[in-house]
Amino acid sequence: ETGVTQTPRHLVMGMTNKKSLKCEQHLGHNAMYWYKQSAKKPLELMFVYSLEERVENNSVPSRFSPECPNSSHLFLHLHTLQPEDSALYLCASSPGWGPGTQYFGPGTRLTVL
Amino acid sequence: DAKTTQPNSMESNEEEPVHLPCNHSTISGTDYIHWYRQLPSQGPEYVIHGLTSNVNNRMASLAIAEDRKSSTLILHRATLRDAAVYYCILIYSGAGSYQLTFGKGTKLSVIP
Repeated sequence: ETGVTQTPRHLVMGMTNKKSLKCEQHLGHNAMYWYKQSAKKPLELMFVYSLEERVENNSVPSRFSPECPNSSHLFLHLHTLQPEDSALYLCASSPGWGPGTQYFGPGTRLTVL
Repeated sequence: DAKTTQPNSMESNEEEPVHLPCNHSTISGTDYIHWYRQLPSQGPEYVIHGLTSNVNNRMASLAIAEDRKSSTLILHRATLRDAAVYYCILIYSGAGSYQLTFGKGTKLSVIP
């Protein structure tokens, strides 16, 4: 596979469930990102990782927990979510941390019941 | 955080040039101006970026105002595949911080 892949592509979960979103990049990049895209709202940057260390956390609630075990993989662990957390969650990567080009995955469509 | 303002929607005829405007009056000197586009059911795709000078690549051109408070993405010949939502984004990175602000985007429709 090439580029940035995300699994699953669709996820439905209850408010008491625990689930994880996975992102994998095959580009040899050192920085990875999580974004949230809700209907009628601009894309929101959630987390930034550079060389497996978290660089930025944009005031994201603790029910979202990121994990970056290596520079190719990024996870978003979800627990006790709310219906308003339903959104498209996008992962991206870039060669380095900085204002360079980001390559996005196709996203995971999350629905919280 | 610096904000961007874009028209909600624009239309263009196929094979004609398209000028997509973006206002970013609160831009700081270290903010880079990026443009991405998003087709339905896909993640955003990089188009072009710049800091102060105008930029050209195989996809588009970016014209940046001298005061950097606005910019324009130029598609030289619109095709049906260019129909997408175009986002103007400011990115700052430095001093252990990373800030990125997406606007609401402009939905471009291309008429055959």
